[in-house]
Amino acid sequence: GAVVSQHPSWVICKSGTSVKIECRSLDFQATTMFWYRQFPKQSLMLMATSNEGSKATYEQGVEKDKFLINHASLTLSTLTVTSAHPEDSSFYICSGRDTRRAQETQYFGPGTRLLVL
Amino acid sequence: QKEVEQDPGPLSVPEGAIVSLNCTYSNSAFQYFMWYRQYSRKGPELLMYTYSSGNKEDGRFTAQVDKSSKYISLFIRDSQPSDSATYLCAMSAGNTPLVFGKGTRLSVIA
Repeated sequence: GAVVSQHPSWVICKSGTSVKIECRSLDFQATTMFWYRQFPKQSLMLMATSNEGSKATYEQGVEKDKFLINHASLTLSTLTVTSAHPEDSSFYICSGRDTRRAQETQYFGPGTRLLVL
Repeated sequence: QKEVEQDPGPLSVPEGAIVSLNCTYSNSAFQYFMWYRQYSRKGPELLMYTYSSGNKEDGRFTAQVDKSSKYISLFIRDSQPSDSATYLCAMSAGNTPLVFGKGTRLSVIA
């Protein structure tokens, strides 16, 4: 299957700082990437969808100025949590989809655990 | 009614049992159906992918899709403790974000 990596795997930061999370597709070209957050024992909540070279589409209730998404290449997307606050502490997971394939599957990264103190 | 309904469990079975996991959905436009397995503190891992109705088998796993009933299932034969995880169903109408169920937590007891 296709492999997606995320970096860092976990991060602890002080309130008010910004944190950047990288998502890379290692063996396929992800024309579309997705960012999710997941709270303990809950399902995935889609935050935004990004297509390579264009602006991300954010889900309702997600602040685009707080969660900056960049998808500058077919293998890299970044999520920057700006001015992080304790309520932003969560598990952030990205996924990629190669829309040139017939399959509609998404391949997920291992996730990034963010703790804001 | 939510687009995708999935019993969150938890579901606890003895080792070797057959496990049946299910999801129902309301959107008749869904054509692509997937099952993901997620271990604690890890990203979801794709288990099964099915297009439209029918069955698909891969080792101990069988996925079934019944579009007429808007019902999908995942069967796990000869369940093992290593199968203990959360299982998420997901579906799509095509070129749209996946819609996930809430996930079913499964524990296989040795």
